[in-house]
Amino acid sequence: GAGVSQSPSNKVTEKGKDVELRCDPISGHTALYWYRQSLGQGLEFLIYFQGNSAPDKSGLPSDRFSAERTGGSVSTLTIQRTQQEDSAVYLCASMGGGNTIYFGEGSWLTVV
Amino acid sequence: QQPVQSPQAVILREGEDAVINCSSSKALYSVHWYRQKHGEAPVFLMILLKGGEQKGHEKISASFNEKKQQSSLYLTASQLSYSGTYFCGTATSGTYKYIFGTGTRLKVLA
Repeated sequence: GAGVSQSPSNKVTEKGKDVELRCDPISGHTALYWYRQSLGQGLEFLIYFQGNSAPDKSGLPSDRFSAERTGGSVSTLTIQRTQQEDSAVYLCASMGGGNTIYFGEGSWLTVV
Repeated sequence: QQPVQSPQAVILREGEDAVINCSSSKALYSVHWYRQKHGEAPVFLMILLKGGEQKGHEKISASFNEKKQQSSLYLTASQLSYSGTYFCGTATSGTYKYIFGTGTRLKVLA
């Protein structure tokens, strides 16, 4: 596609359940990012993938969070045993050679 | 590690000017500026690389002072469409790991 695609766009889940959020970056972009944005707050860095290098996981808030990127393209962010404080918008972004970061529309997660 | 932006919020009348600052505690290689409207994804405005350059985009320009580890975004003759939250994203040398600032909420009134 032309832009960064994320799914689902909205997800309501019960506390304690696992969720998977998907990101399809712009074709050919080697860098992929996940950020979290709570209501009215800034962009919190979660994880960064660059090509075939080991991902920078330094922003993941707990071991309940994990992410993978298969074949250098699609990425999945998994949150296990969701908590209410996990409710936020999860933004995926990708960057190619032009040094511009393009964001997806986000996945709005609500944990009830 | 997160860059600090100032002011946190600003209200302008159409036609007025504003400056948004972004400061980092780390040596910077590049700075990105983004604008996010409510309920939408952040949109790229411009990138500045190490070298102290100033760039312009219509009536929006920015400067980057790597010695002071600061960047500033200048909005001149503001328009209603400039309303939103502005974020700076910074990366240190040798990496494309971008950390975003605390954000500045800007509202332009008619």
